[in-house]
Amino acid sequence: DGGITQSPKYLFRKEGQNVTLSCEQNLNHDAMYWYRQDPGQGLRLIYYSQIVNDFQKGDIAEGYSVSREKKESFPLTVTSAQKNPTAFYLCASRGGYNEQFFGPGTRLTVL
Amino acid sequence: DQQVKQNSPSLSVQEGRISILNCDYTNSMFDYFLWYKKYPAEGPTFLISISSIKDKNEDGRFTVFLNKSAKHLSLHIVPSQPGDSAVYFCAASPVYGGATNKLIFGTGTLLAVQP
Repeated sequence: DGGITQSPKYLFRKEGQNVTLSCEQNLNHDAMYWYRQDPGQGLRLIYYSQIVNDFQKGDIAEGYSVSREKKESFPLTVTSAQKNPTAFYLCASRGGYNEQFFGPGTRLTVL
Repeated sequence: DQQVKQNSPSLSVQEGRISILNCDYTNSMFDYFLWYKKYPAEGPTFLISISSIKDKNEDGRFTVFLNKSAKHLSLHIVPSQPGDSAVYFCAASPVYGGATNKLIFGTGTLLAVQP
């Protein structure tokens, strides 16, 4: 089945630790995106990548880093510099049109 | 600055009736609009979209209306079903099929369809 997978579904982190969220897609999409959702808020763009080995900051990139070494993979690292990392993280990809297709999400909780 | 606004945080309707979810935008450069449905702890699912060259797009029970002069769009669900209960996000894009295709999301409306 074609789609987007994110792992893990739930992640717990101690303060001061970096943690990496996985996102893989087999849709052959060029563009991939990372969003964050907080209660009562919409989805806010963290980083996006239009093509392999290229990525751009979104609206709330501080404290996050990404890489795009393969078309299928777009991992997100939440660093210790992110002051409020507890949130629901969503990865998405886009084909030829504007519709973005989302993965199931990762709930990150900082202990 | 909230460029895409969903002013109703929640909406409750009876099963079988029409659900109308509203969305307003401020940026006149937006020319493609999308609706997503989201269940708790899951990723959003794409529902329906409309480009600025149209004022209506229909897909089964779902219809999206666009009023460019008012910078307003709405999603109609007819008839509403209990399985439609979810959060609905409106999103807008400044360039259709363009290089960045960044989507700007509203804050969502929680729809509850009562049996």
